[in-house]
Amino acid sequence: DAKTTQPPSMDCAEGRAANLPCNHSTISGNEYVYWYRQIHSQGPQYIIHGLKNNETNEMASLIITEDRKSSTLILPHATLRDTAVYYCIVILTGGGNKLTFGTGTQLKVEL
Amino acid sequence: DSGVTQTPKHLITATGQRVTLRCSPRSGDLSVYWYQQSLDQGLQFLIQYYNGEERAKGNILERFSAQQFPDLHSELNLSSLELGDSALYFCASSVRGRAGNTIYFGEGSWLTVV
Repeated sequence: DAKTTQPPSMDCAEGRAANLPCNHSTISGNEYVYWYRQIHSQGPQYIIHGLKNNETNEMASLIITEDRKSSTLILPHATLRDTAVYYCIVILTGGGNKLTFGTGTQLKVEL
Repeated sequence: DSGVTQTPKHLITATGQRVTLRCSPRSGDLSVYWYQQSLDQGLQFLIQYYNGEERAKGNILERFSAQQFPDLHSELNLSSLELGDSALYFCASSVRGRAGNTIYFGEGSWLTVV
């Protein structure tokens, strides 16, 4: 699985968009980009994933660059409850592949 | 609520003892994963089962073992416990969808070894 690089921490004002970057320059053609988050000591929560197209769901948007070497997770209107560690993970498609977590980005949403 | 159920939520036990953590995956999910998260370490993959058979192994100690039963629930057995085994243990299960393989996590079992 391709390695990912994320900034260790970011701050965001409540109500503003939080843009979390992730570099995955060694990604291969059949690897997906997944985003999870972990709110203090809770189970990791699935957010969104994509292959090459931009994706949006009720939680967030995922923007993947055309060369697929980086992506950005966008929380459109961050709230205090979005304070968490966010993990960007690249994983081969197919059934049953495990997730390998890095150190992620600690997002702190403040008033 | 992810649909993955773990019991017990909290457990305190003494060194040298043995404990069993239980996981019920989401309905219909065939894959079960176990992860460990210590205070000073990130989420570490331990082991994965698929439809009753071991599928992948991570940094799981020989004192630890797991199994997945015909009804797809899984158990993680931790024996000869040491202080360093104190951690959060997460179970996850996966659904194989159209695009990739989304994995959902339970809320974890807090193990404290004293």
